[in-house]
Amino acid sequence: NAGVMQNPRHLVRRRGQEARLRCSPMKGHSHVYWYRQLPEEGLKFMVYLQKENIIDESGMPKERFSAEFPKEGPSILRIQQVVRGDSAAYFCASSLSQGAAEAFFGQGTRLTVV
Amino acid sequence: GNSVTQMEGPVTLSEEAFLTINCTYTATGYPSLFWYVQYPGEGLQLLLKATKADDKGSNKGFEATYRKETTSFHLEKGSVQVSDSAVYFCALRLNTNAGKSTFGDGTTLTVKP
Repeated sequence: NAGVMQNPRHLVRRRGQEARLRCSPMKGHSHVYWYRQLPEEGLKFMVYLQKENIIDESGMPKERFSAEFPKEGPSILRIQQVVRGDSAAYFCASSLSQGAAEAFFGQGTRLTVV
Repeated sequence: GNSVTQMEGPVTLSEEAFLTINCTYTATGYPSLFWYVQYPGEGLQLLLKATKADDKGSNKGFEATYRKETTSFHLEKGSVQVSDSAVYFCALRLNTNAGKSTFGDGTTLTVKP
């Protein structure tokens, strides 16, 4: 029973390139959440998606960042024209429903922008 | 808005010492409270939780009690081990949304033999 799977685990991009981070939720989970963890800080909520819908993107930067969770396949967090300040760990969590008792976290993708 | 304030680290203890990591919160409504642990290079693992006032969460020798009167959820362990070295995060979540949590900045614990 696989948990939340994120890939890649580590990603290096040059400034100006695009970064694509993938998250496959736990089996049966249709709710996905993305968080960003800057160095020496806690996790900050970015976006909440349910299959094919963005429910809450209140924590997402207005420019360069987008997220999707298609009917088939993993959720994707896309960062266009990356800058050094985007270097962080990006975590995905999934839950069975919005009101579920718990959400489960993946191991994260560590993005380094050089 | 909602916020979580954790005791600043890093915290360094000797093996078998007593651990307390303070956590206080502000929230609209009645949140659930959580402690997560993050081992080096790993993701977050739920350590324990409490969903209402006076509940005590416990796991692996760690405990925390939901104190509504002091808006606190302090983490304690009676005797730490080297393997407990990790970053600990306190978090709150309004019960209406399973995955949208507010996290503290984390406290790094190092336990020396």
